[in-house]
Amino acid sequence: KAGVTQTPRYLIKTRGQQVTLSCSPISGHRSVSWYQQTPGQGLQFLFEYFSETQRNKGNFPGRFSGRQFSNSRSEMNVSTLELGDSALYLCASSLGFQRSSTDTQYFGPGTRLTVL
Amino acid sequence: SQQGEEDPQALSIQEGENATMNCSYKTSINNLQWYRQNSGRGLVHLILIRSNEREKHSGRLRVTLDTSKKSSSLLITASRAADTASYFCATDRRGGSNYKLTFGKGTLLTVNP
Repeated sequence: KAGVTQTPRYLIKTRGQQVTLSCSPISGHRSVSWYQQTPGQGLQFLFEYFSETQRNKGNFPGRFSGRQFSNSRSEMNVSTLELGDSALYLCASSLGFQRSSTDTQYFGPGTRLTVL
Repeated sequence: SQQGEEDPQALSIQEGENATMNCSYKTSINNLQWYRQNSGRGLVHLILIRSNEREKHSGRLRVTLDTSKKSSSLLITASRAADTASYFCATDRRGGSNYKLTFGKGTLLTVNP
């Protein structure tokens, strides 16, 4: 099976712009989670989507939003970019059925966003 | 705030030696997982240990969990240069969602050939 793919891999934007990142999960996986990784804050949970619905949300401002399509692919959008949004954005996919508390998340390679 | 905190922040050893990393967390959990990340890349899942388990093995990896102390350790035996990476523990809060992982800041392991 192909792994989790993320596009683009690298992105440079300027303050005030908006950006959309894409994540394609492993075939058959219905849950997609997004994480932000920075040197200062480490890995922080943004949100999780399952069957096109946001199921869990982290503590990020409303400028960060996401969605999931019927084929489980997910996009994340950040509006009005700030310098502090520079980070590695990682998505992870899993089967998504909560009855299994040991459902493993598989991570993509990430999108490196630089805000100038 | 971070749920898990790894210790040490950085560890440098020689090839063939064992590496031990520790993780402490604050609230009750369902599971604790360990991930590896090579420089600036995605995370690779290593092992999951449930809250009712005390020890788990996978190849050269051994994980222990002490829920009374809210701590876990990851032991890598007979380390190799290819084990050089950052290692993170991740927890999912009991009663919460297992899709909302909370990560520590990681231990940077360097294995010198």
